[in-house]
Amino acid sequence: NAGVMQNPRHLVRRRGQEARLRCSPMKGHSHVYWYRQLPEEGLKFMVYLQKENIIDESGMPKERFSAEFPKEGPSILRIQQVVRGDSAAYFCASSRGLPEGNEQFFGPGTRLTVL
Amino acid sequence: AQSVTQLGSHVSVSEGALVLLRCNYSSSVPPYLFWYVQYPNQGLQLLLKYTSAATLVKGINGFEAEFKKSETSFHLTKPSAHMSDAAEYFCAVSGNSGTASKLTFGTGTRLQVTL
Repeated sequence: NAGVMQNPRHLVRRRGQEARLRCSPMKGHSHVYWYRQLPEEGLKFMVYLQKENIIDESGMPKERFSAEFPKEGPSILRIQQVVRGDSAAYFCASSRGLPEGNEQFFGPGTRLTVL
Repeated sequence: AQSVTQLGSHVSVSEGALVLLRCNYSSSVPPYLFWYVQYPNQGLQLLLKYTSAATLVKGINGFEAEFKKSETSFHLTKPSAHMSDAAEYFCAVSGNSGTASKLTFGTGTRLQVTL
């Protein structure tokens, strides 16, 4: 039973390029969350999605960042025109959703480095 | 609104000694509380969770935590530390409905275990 999968595990981009991060939730999970971890900091919520719907994007920067979770395929976190401050580890988590206790299972993360 | 405070960014204990990692929370709704562990360059693994059942929660690897509403605390303990427990530990809180399901993390406590 595969866990949450994220790819790529490491991504290097130059300033101004686009970064595309993918997340495949656990089987049976229809809720996906994205979190960002800056160096030496805790994780910060970015966005919460269900299939074809963005439920909560209150943690997303207003510009350059977008997320989707299509009916078929993985969830995508897209960062346009990356800047050095975007360098971080991006984690995806999935759950079955409430009221089953909101246990979120995390993927291994994508470590983005912007040169 | 929800928040988590973890007292002590670094904790050092001797192997075999008691582990106590502190977590205080603030929540405007009945909270769900979680402890996660993160090993270097890896994702987060759930240690245990509180979801309004028993206030004393037992988790994996010998860890347990007690929910104390009067103190708004959810401290993590382990009677006897092992070298393999050295990692970063995050306390997190979420609500119990809809958009409140996102996790709000503390800044983490790095546990060092010495011989």
